Amino acid sequence: EAGVAQSPRYKIIEKRQSVAFWCNPISGHATLYWYQQILGQGPKLLIQFQNNGVVDDSQLPKDRFSAERLKGVDSTLKIQPAKLEDSAVYLCASSPSGRSTDTQYFGPGTRLTVL
Amino acid sequence: AQTVTQSQPEMSVQEAETVTLSCTYDTSESDYYLFWYKQPPSRQMILVIRQEAYKQQNATENRFSVNFQKAAKSFSLKISDSQLGDAAMYFCAYRSTFQGAQKLVFGQGTRLTINP
Repeated sequence: EAGVAQSPRYKIIEKRQSVAFWCNPISGHATLYWYQQILGQGPKLLIQFQNNGVVDDSQLPKDRFSAERLKGVDSTLKIQPAKLEDSAVYLCASSPSGRSTDTQYFGPGTRLTVL
Repeated sequence: AQTVTQSQPEMSVQEAETVTLSCTYDTSESDYYLFWYKQPPSRQMILVIRQEAYKQQNATENRFSVNFQKAAKSFSLKISDSQLGDAAMYFCAYRSTFQGAQKLVFGQGTRLTINP
């Protein structure tokens, strides 16, 4: 079974530029999560999708971050414009149904550096 | 809101010995899940072990076991017979059982070094 795929693995941009990350969850997984992991900290949830609907985006900085999961499969997270403090690893995770008993499976992450 | 605290930024242990990583959490909920995740340098987060709060018995997975003290809100991870491959960042995480609140709340992590 293929795991959670993410691309790109690394991205370097200048502040005020735009960037997009892509995630393909494990096949059949209904729930998809985007976490932000700043260096030296634990991951923090940005947004959770159940199929193609948003369940929780309370910690997403909506003035600059956006995410979509149009067909309920893969997802894109965008930052526009980027700030220095957005430098972090962006982790995508998926789980079968979103039940609290589910295990979340993580992708390798995208490391973003904003100069 | 729930919080998770890992007070040991770094730990080291000799290969084949036992090490315990500490975690405390704060919640007003009575039912929840607790997890330990491992993040090797490649950065793919892997589930190590999980504990349901309603279970009194401590979870065990091969060389990994937990000491779950619900009243003290403590959830430590014990790694027995440490191996070089155990070197990684270890994150303690909390998850509510409320519908629609499936996010993981992570601690700051503990970097574990295994000395050969």
